[in-house]
Formats: sequence, structure tokens, C-alpha cells
Amino acid sequence: AQTVTQSQPEMSVQEAETVTLSCTYDTSESNYYLFWYKQPPSRQMILVIRQEAYKQQNATENRFSVNFQKAAKSFSLKISDSQLGDTAMYFCAFSGPSVLTYKYIFGTGTRLKVLA
Amino acid sequence: NAGVTQTPKFRVLKTGQSMTLLCAQDMNHEYMYWYRQDPGMGLRLIHYSVGEGTTAKGEVPDGYNVSRLKKQNFLLGLESAAPSQTSVYFCASSTPRREEQFFGPGTRLTVL
Repeated sequence: AQTVTQSQPEMSVQEAETVTLSCTYDTSESNYYLFWYKQPPSRQMILVIRQEAYKQQNATENRFSVNFQKAAKSFSLKISDSQLGDTAMYFCAFSGPSVLTYKYIFGTGTRLKVLA
Repeated sequence: NAGVTQTPKFRVLKTGQSMTLLCAQDMNHEYMYWYRQDPGMGLRLIHYSVGEGTTAKGEVPDGYNVSRLKKQNFLLGLESAAPSQTSVYFCASSTPRREEQFFGPGTRLTVL
């Protein structure tokens, strides 16, 4: 069974600094998607970044980038130049390709606070 | 293009009452999902549907029923609400490729 683990329940970072959120997962699939979702106080779930497992290049979206280590089953999110608007819950998620794994599996989340 | 909408946004029930949460999407997505979110537990899948007229159980289906009579709508029912069902409920949809889930704004349900 697939699992997603986020071992950092809470983190804080000073504005303009860089922070890395950790995520590990377990799967026997060879191809799958990994995601980071952001949930600000408004409660809306927003996709931050997506990685396809067969792509070796790490995904990047503006200030957000991932370090995808397939062999280690690790998928960390790096936020550069942190802004106050980055304060939110961040969820790591997995989705597999096969009919048995088409459910999304979410981690328990990391609450990030950006300090002024 | 409204994306995924949920009705209602807030609701307070008494134990034993019933209610239905409505989810609608206008993106012609095949797959739809219902999750509940509780503090410290992330999002847990209640039920999901891979097409009109089909539904399946997720991780925590007990006490809930669902129906997908139309492709764009996915209903979540609570027949006899219990305090343990106090939670925030999210609906989501995706294509069969599942490269991204689109979420509704959530429904905060309190059962007294």
C-alpha cells in the first residue's frame, strides 16, 4: 500500500529566507505523480507543484522547487525568498497510475509560518 | 468557469439528523472524490467515483453514502449524523490521468 509521510508538523522561517519541507513516500509503482498542495487560512487547496516520476529533472515553479530522489523515495519542497503569503499548511500527495492506485494519498501536512 | 463548487459552506447539525452535501464541477472530469480533513490527520478519502453511476469506498466510508447520477455532480450523504463526523469536507475532481486534483472550497460541518 502507498503511504506518504511528512515528519515536520510545524516549521517557521524568516521572511526572504529559504525553507525546505520534507516528504517521503512508499510505493512499488515505477511511474506515478507527486504533488505539493498549499492550504492557506482560507482553506482552499492550491496546487503548488507537480512531479512525474519518470522525469528526472526536478520540477520548478517560480520560487518553489522540489528535490525528487526516486531511489530514496523522497520529495522535498524548497521555498526560496519566503513571503508572508506563503504561511499555510503544505500537503505532500501521491497518485499512482494503475487502476489499483488511482486514489490520491496525502500526508498529514506541515504547518509553515513565515515570520516578518 | 466556476471549477469545483460545494454547497453548503457551513452547517450545524444535531446528532441523528441527516443532510446531503452537494459537489458540482464544470470541467467535464470523470473522477470525483470526497475527503474529510481533521486536525493532524491530513485529508482522508471517504468515497470516490470514476464515472457517472459508479462509486467506491475510500479509507473512511462508514456513516456516509454517495451518489453520482450526473457526471458533474457528486453527492455525499450523512443518514444519521454523529459528533465524530464533525470535520471539514472537501470535494475534488480530476481527469483519468490524475495529473492534478481540483478542489472545492470545503464545507465545515459541526455535529452537536
